[in-house]
Amino acid sequence: AQKVTQAQTEISVVEKEDVTLDCVYETRDTTYYLFWYKQPPSGELVFLIRRNSFDEQNEISGRYSWNFQKSTSSFNFTITASQVVDSAVYFCALRSNQGGKLIFGQGTELSVKP
Amino acid sequence: ETGVTQTPRHLVMGMTNKKSLKCEQHLGHNAMYWYKQSAKKPLELMFVYSLEERVENNSVPSRFSPECPNSSHLFLHLHTLQPEDSALYLCASSRTFGGGSFYEQYFGPGTRLTVT
Repeated sequence: AQKVTQAQTEISVVEKEDVTLDCVYETRDTTYYLFWYKQPPSGELVFLIRRNSFDEQNEISGRYSWNFQKSTSSFNFTITASQVVDSAVYFCALRSNQGGKLIFGQGTELSVKP
Repeated sequence: ETGVTQTPRHLVMGMTNKKSLKCEQHLGHNAMYWYKQSAKKPLELMFVYSLEERVENNSVPSRFSPECPNSSHLFLHLHTLQPEDSALYLCASSRTFGGGSFYEQYFGPGTRLTVT
């Protein structure tokens, strides 16, 4: 069975703080794909990143960085110097290479206060 | 800005009404999806269409009826809904649905549905 767990339901930080959103996944597949999506108050899910299971390089995009650790089945997301506009619900998701649907975590609601 | 649009953005309907939600994608994708997002609950996949054929139906009540007339359009027909069906309904599309390839799903802005 496949499962994605985002243990942090809500996180509140003050602007300019760094924040890490945790994602732990379960799968028996050897090849799979991991995703992060952002859902601002407007409702639309915005794709942030895709990571393949065979590529464990960490990635940085501006203030965003992702740490993929296959040994611990984690795919954590860090926002550096958070801003109010980062306030949103963030979803981690998993997809098998066998095809099929995305398995979403429950989401982490991030609130960045000025 | 994504290439997936949804109309209407907000809908209030009574339990005896019939209404339809519309989704259109301008990305040339072959797979389209309906999700339901209730308050404080994870995203629930409702239906998947690949090349205009339904490939997944996750035990959704028959009061929800999807239609995919072509690869760019997806509808969700609603009738005799219940108050617990009030939720955000999200449409998404992706290049493919099958295995052997990776893809991202691109989402529309959603329709906020309230059933009174």
